[in-house]
Amino acid sequence: QSVLTQPPSASGTPGQRVTISCSGSSSNIGTNTVSWFQHLPGTAPKLLIYSHNQRPSGVPDRFFGSKSGTSASLAISGLQSEDEADYYCAAWDDSLTGWVFGGGTKVTVL
Amino acid sequence: QVQLVESGGGVVQPGRSLRLSCVGSGFTFSTYGIHWVRQAPGKGLEWVAVNWDDTNNKYYADSVKGRFTTSRDNSKNTLYLQMNSLRVEDTAIYYCARDWNAAFDYWGQGTLVTVSS
Repeated sequence: QSVLTQPPSASGTPGQRVTISCSGSSSNIGTNTVSWFQHLPGTAPKLLIYSHNQRPSGVPDRFFGSKSGTSASLAISGLQSEDEADYYCAAWDDSLTGWVFGGGTKVTVL
Repeated sequence: QVQLVESGGGVVQPGRSLRLSCVGSGFTFSTYGIHWVRQAPGKGLEWVAVNWDDTNNKYYADSVKGRFTTSRDNSKNTLYLQMNSLRVEDTAIYYCARDWNAAFDYWGQGTLVTVSS
């Protein structure tokens, strides 16, 4: 199992808000920054959020990241069909001296 | 524009070796750390290694430590992943990704490594 824990799936109807959680520990999320990625099978993953809540240029403000203690969340508002993808959180882990990913959450637009 | 292109994947028997390459363009390659991340069939993303500047500033996942090594040739804008003693569980798509603000901002399209007898 992954060091960072995410729910395996999430879903919503177009226009709704979906939130994905990412639970870690003091050695990763508790002390280091969290990033979020969107991944469509067969394509390169895309950076959505870095430093907990910062969006790279070109990422719509429908994607919102937050962190509290040893957990982080990604919220997608105004859900669209093109948001159907797998979403991963990641952070550096001081104990493992390496990056760790969550197991991924598959978002389905109903 | 920033681009990363992986190559070198293929089918290899367990216990054998393979070397992957990642060529960067559109940025000053030597000033960035470059990661390897993989995705096994039906599984999630797994970080493999990072090479910051080809000195001792490299880190590896426990699952590959002692078997995989990363090196870089900045004159060729190229990062390598030497994979030895390959196992069936190393079968995956291998991506290289650029480090930026403690995240991975640009990724390649990946190269498939299949370890099978």
